[in-house]
Amino acid sequence: NAGVTQTPKFQVLKTGQSMTLQCAQDMNHEYMSWYRQDPGMGLRLIHYSVGAGITDQGEVPNGYNVSRSTTEDFPLRLLSAAPSQTSVYFCASSPGSSYNQPQHFGDGTRLSIL
Amino acid sequence: EDKVVQSPLSLVVHEGDTVTLNCSYEVTNFRSLLWYKQEKKAPTFLFMLTSSGIEKKSGRLSSILDKKELFSILNITATQTGDSAVYLCAARGGTSYGKLTFGQGTILTVHP
Repeated sequence: NAGVTQTPKFQVLKTGQSMTLQCAQDMNHEYMSWYRQDPGMGLRLIHYSVGAGITDQGEVPNGYNVSRSTTEDFPLRLLSAAPSQTSVYFCASSPGSSYNQPQHFGDGTRLSIL
Repeated sequence: EDKVVQSPLSLVVHEGDTVTLNCSYEVTNFRSLLWYKQEKKAPTFLFMLTSSGIEKKSGRLSSILDKKELFSILNITATQTGDSAVYLCAARGGTSYGKLTFGQGTILTVHP
């Protein structure tokens, strides 16, 4: 049982490049989300999904796209990277239909945009 | 707009000290308050609180929620160097059962 797996762990991009951050969970969790963590700002919600085929925007969605074609995977896409997107990105998941389950986090992807 | 504020933002103590970390929240349709510990990588879950006045305890860590005054505290007694970490508070609310709003975090440093 691997939990929440994020790849890659580190990535350096040039401004304007695109890339996809991968997130997979093997716990059959319905809810998945992406956060970014910047110094002094805690974690901010980018996008989330309550199940396959359903996604919605969080607090800071601009510049990011998501899709959820399977329960297991929730990739985050940067279409045209900008230096302001330099951050540590965390994916999280939790069982669906419950307010009483904690979210489980992956180990994060450290992304630098030059 | 949902908001969670933690204080202090950083704290330096010596081993054996007791610390209290604070978290206040303003969240629409509040459901629960969660505490996480973050060392090098992923935040790891500590506590989830849903009811006022009921203390949750795990070893030297304990936490309590006050839903009337909209705050929670995390206590750590007899601190150890391994307690050094960022402690994150998050409030769950809104119309989506998974949505968490995080505070800025408290950086705790415990010196030997």
